[in-house]
Amino acid sequence: QKEVEQNSGPLSVPEGAIASLNCTYSDRGSQSFFWYRQYSGKSPELIMFIYSNGDKEDGRFTAQLNKASQYVSLLIRDSQPSDSATYLCATSGGYNKLIFGAGTRLAVHP
Amino acid sequence: NAGVMQNPRHLVRRRGQEARLRCSPMKGHSHVYWYRQLPEEGLKFMVYLQKENIIDESGMPKERFSAEFPKEGPSILRIQQVVRGDSAAYFCASSLPGQGDEKLFFGSGTQLSVL
Repeated sequence: QKEVEQNSGPLSVPEGAIASLNCTYSDRGSQSFFWYRQYSGKSPELIMFIYSNGDKEDGRFTAQLNKASQYVSLLIRDSQPSDSATYLCATSGGYNKLIFGAGTRLAVHP
Repeated sequence: NAGVMQNPRHLVRRRGQEARLRCSPMKGHSHVYWYRQLPEEGLKFMVYLQKENIIDESGMPKERFSAEFPKEGPSILRIQQVVRGDSAAYFCASSLPGQGDEKLFFGSGTQLSVL
């Protein structure tokens, strides 16, 4: 049974700082990883995906994958109050069957 | 280009009643997935359907829950004899055949409240 673990938070950072969100996974064979942002009462929105070891950057977001340590992270640079949301880490269970962590709540305060 | 449409947005049922949740996938998408999100938890996979076929229902509770995706019309998630523990947000997602996991699009969800 694949599992994805996240610290529930809240993670509180000041505006302009770097927010670092972390995730670990149980299945060493997992290949693909996703970060979703979910505002309260809204649907999850994909913001990053990563398949290879190392870093992947997209604007203010950087996803980092370390398969040896079974660890995925998301860095948000220059955090804004609008980034305040729950961030869900997920891995693929096959056939678009995503396995989600419980999410980390991020609060960016002015 | 409309996204994944779910209705109703909110559904209130009393214990023992039936709940029907509808999902219209994005135009051209023939694969539909249902996920459930309990309060303070992540999304849990329930079922994966293609037109007129259930491909993977490994996440569906064994009793009271069923899903269909007919040739015409929306996908339906049906919960019979609801109990308070069924209260959750139910999200539908859709994709094109053969697309990778990053091409999964979620609807806005149906919030089911069981009194």
